[in-house]
Amino acid sequence: EAQVTQNPRYLITVTGKKLTVTCSQNMNHEYMSWYRQDPGLGLRQIYYSMNVEVTDKGDVPEGYKVSRKEKRNFPLILESPSPNQTSLYFCASSFNFFTDTQYFGPGTRLTVL
Amino acid sequence: GIQVEQSPPDLILQEGANSTLRCNFSDSVNNLQWFHQNPWGQLINLFYIPSGTKQNGRLSATTVATERYSLLYISSSQTTDSGVYFCAVDEDSSYKLIFGSGTRLLVRP
Repeated sequence: EAQVTQNPRYLITVTGKKLTVTCSQNMNHEYMSWYRQDPGLGLRQIYYSMNVEVTDKGDVPEGYKVSRKEKRNFPLILESPSPNQTSLYFCASSFNFFTDTQYFGPGTRLTVL
Repeated sequence: GIQVEQSPPDLILQEGANSTLRCNFSDSVNNLQWFHQNPWGQLINLFYIPSGTKQNGRLSATTVATERYSLLYISSSQTTDSGVYFCAVDEDSSYKLIFGSGTRLLVRP
């Protein structure tokens, strides 16, 4: 089944404890992206990747890192999480950003205490 | 940047009713998608529709790119249609989707 998977789906952690949210797609998509969704602010892009080893900042990259060593995986790294990173996170992927459907993962609910 | 406006912001329907959701955007787009966010928070892709008309079961969508709007039609609504419907478009020269603020739909049995 074609899909975007994220892990973990739910996470409660404490300030400063490094964490990684994984994202994987099995559709051979070149484009991948991370968004966060917050009440009143909607969905905002954190980082995106056009292909392996090619990443760039979105609107709210501060406090996050990403890597794209393989086409299928695009992990989101929080080196030192803070409470303002409490949010619902989505990973997305597509063949071509402009001409194809973007498929979203199921979301990761992160709470930083 | 591009502006995306959705209307109505809230909608309450009785099961079986039909509805039309609207998305206006302020600039030309290459990518326009409709999503349904269910009560569990999952974003489900409904349509990729930068222009033209598509149908999928009880749902259909039409985008008139020259007039910069898109419509999502829901016929014979069911309680499982409840949730938030988002329209999202690309912004010229950037690789991100800009989401509207959504239409929150509640379908009552």
